[in-house]
Amino acid sequence: AQSVTQLDSQVPVFEEAPVELRCNYSSSVSVYLFWYVQYPNQGLQLLLKYLSGSTLVKGINGFEAEFNKSQTSFHLRKPSVHISDTAEYFCAVINMDTGRRALTFGSGTRLQVQP
Amino acid sequence: DAGVTQSPTHLIKTRGQHVTLRCSPISGHKSVSWYQQVLGQGPQFIFQYYEKEERGRGNFPDRFSARQFPNYSSELNVNALLLGDSALYLCASSLGLGGSGNTIYFGEGSWLTVV
Repeated sequence: AQSVTQLDSQVPVFEEAPVELRCNYSSSVSVYLFWYVQYPNQGLQLLLKYLSGSTLVKGINGFEAEFNKSQTSFHLRKPSVHISDTAEYFCAVINMDTGRRALTFGSGTRLQVQP
Repeated sequence: DAGVTQSPTHLIKTRGQHVTLRCSPISGHKSVSWYQQVLGQGPQFIFQYYEKEERGRGNFPDRFSARQFPNYSSELNVNALLLGDSALYLCASSLGLGGSGNTIYFGEGSWLTVV
């Protein structure tokens, strides 16, 4: 079964510093990869997605992620964070080898941006 | 345009009772999925419906059921509620099945507390 591992449950960082949130997925021939953000007491908002093509994907709010097939990773990065980026971030995958088109999520990484 | 709308937003039920959660997808979207998010965890897939047919089911007991109506709205039903069913229930919609160009959008969720 498909699995997604988010290596850090919490990441504290100072405002304007760079940040990387790590995500690894279990190996599969064909996957689509996503990062979602969840602000307190809200639903999930799509940050970015990788379907095919360039391995560097740019999303909203200045975030980007790089797909690395050999390392089965899809790490999320932002060069300079803001207080407003404080939220829970979820990496997710759709395994295109199965007939099911549902998202499998990681356990989440809480980004805490401090002034 | 309205996003994915869910109702009710919050509800409290007693163990053994039954609950019905409702979801209206984005206009034109034909696929609806349901996810359960327990506090501190990532969302877990429950059901996916496309064109009113069940297209996927996660690892949940038979107490959980769902359906999709001709207008593509959906209901999630949970019978014989347990304390462990307390969670945020998220509805998601997409034009087609997830993946490829079909971005999956989430609603704000329904908070269910079982006492």
